[in-house]
Amino acid sequence: KAGVTQTPRYLIKTRGQQVTLSCSPISGHRSVSWYQQTPGQGLQFLFEYFSETQRNKGNFPGRFSGRQFSNSRSEMNVSTLELGDSALYLCASSLENSGTGAKAFFGQGTRLTVV
Amino acid sequence: GNSVTQMEGPVTLSEEAFLTINCTYTATGYPSLFWYVQYPGEGLQLLLKATKADDKGSNKGFEATYRKETTSFHLEKGSVQVSDSAVYFCALSTSNDYKLSFGAGTTVTVRA
Repeated sequence: KAGVTQTPRYLIKTRGQQVTLSCSPISGHRSVSWYQQTPGQGLQFLFEYFSETQRNKGNFPGRFSGRQFSNSRSEMNVSTLELGDSALYLCASSLENSGTGAKAFFGQGTRLTVV
Repeated sequence: GNSVTQMEGPVTLSEEAFLTINCTYTATGYPSLFWYVQYPGEGLQLLLKATKADDKGSNKGFEATYRKETTSFHLEKGSVQVSDSAVYFCALSTSNDYKLSFGAGTTVTVRA
């Protein structure tokens, strides 16, 4: 069974540009979550989607957006990039909500560097 | 809201030493508790979990017990190996939250 696939693995973008990151969940998983990991702030929740509906959103500016497609694949977009957006972006998929004890499986992440 | 407090690292140990990483939490509602591990250059892997009070999660020699009375979920391993060198994250989730709340992470280095 294939794991969670994130593309691309590495990205370098210029301040002010926009970027789209992609996540393909494990087959059959309908919940997809996104997290930002930085040395200073640790792991911070961005948003969660289930069957194309956003069920929760973290405390990030509106420049951060996401969506989920009918095949459960998800994308997140960051517009008007800032230097502080440099981070490892992790996607996780699960059968259901982690609050019910469902296991979340993480991809290897996309390393975004903003210069 | 939900939050996790994890003991600060880094932690450096010799092979075969005993490892404990403390984790306490606050939660609105009844949480599920998790330990994740991150190896260099990788995403997070679920190490173990517990979904109700007094449950013990275990995997690869690691154990953690869900203690509701002390709101804790400490991670332990009796004899660590060099391959256990990684960053360990304690996390929780509640059924109305749809997200994992993570601790700051503890970097563990095991020396041969």
